[in-house]
Amino acid sequence: AQKVTQAQTEISVVEKEDVTLDCVYETRDTTYYLFWYKQPPSGELVFLIRRNSFDEQNEISGRYSWNFQKSTSSFNFTITASQVVDSAVYFCALSQDSSYKLIFGSGTRLLVRP
Amino acid sequence: NAGVTQTPKFRILKIGQSMTLQCTQDMNHNYMYWYRQDPGMGLKLIYYSVGAGITDKGEVPNGYNVSRSTTEDFPLRLELAAPSQTSVYFCASSYSKDRGNTEAFFGQGTRLTVV
Repeated sequence: AQKVTQAQTEISVVEKEDVTLDCVYETRDTTYYLFWYKQPPSGELVFLIRRNSFDEQNEISGRYSWNFQKSTSSFNFTITASQVVDSAVYFCALSQDSSYKLIFGSGTRLLVRP
Repeated sequence: NAGVTQTPKFRILKIGQSMTLQCTQDMNHNYMYWYRQDPGMGLKLIYYSVGAGITDKGEVPNGYNVSRSTTEDFPLRLELAAPSQTSVYFCASSYSKDRGNTEAFFGQGTRLTVV
């Protein structure tokens, strides 16, 4: 079975704190893709990162970084020095078969307080 | 370049009415998808298409129908609307890249309320 679990329903931090959003996935396939999307209060879905299962290198993009560990089936997302504009719901998603459809986690709502 | 365009943005339907949610993309993507997002939840796949003339069911297809007569358009039809179909609907598209697909490009969503 394929599944994505985001155990943290809601996280609240004070601006400038670092925060890590957890994502655990389940799949039997050896080839798969992992994604993170951001959904700000305005409701649109903003793509953040795509990672394939053959590339376990961690990635950093500005204040954002991602830690992919196949051994624990996790793809965690860290925001360094959080800002109020980071307040949003963040979704982790898995894609595997030839349809490339996305299986979403239930999302983590991040609130960054001034 | 408009990307993925959904219409309408908002709609209120009465129980038993029907409607079509429109989705069009101008990126020549072969893959298209319809998802629904219930309050406080992640997105669930309703239907998808891997190319013109080809459609298949996703996780929650009951009460919906789709067609894909062109690469650009992927309308979602609701027949006999029910309160359980109150949701936000997202259309998305993607294309093949690097032994897989790109990220999905999403439309702005359609907020549907069935009363």
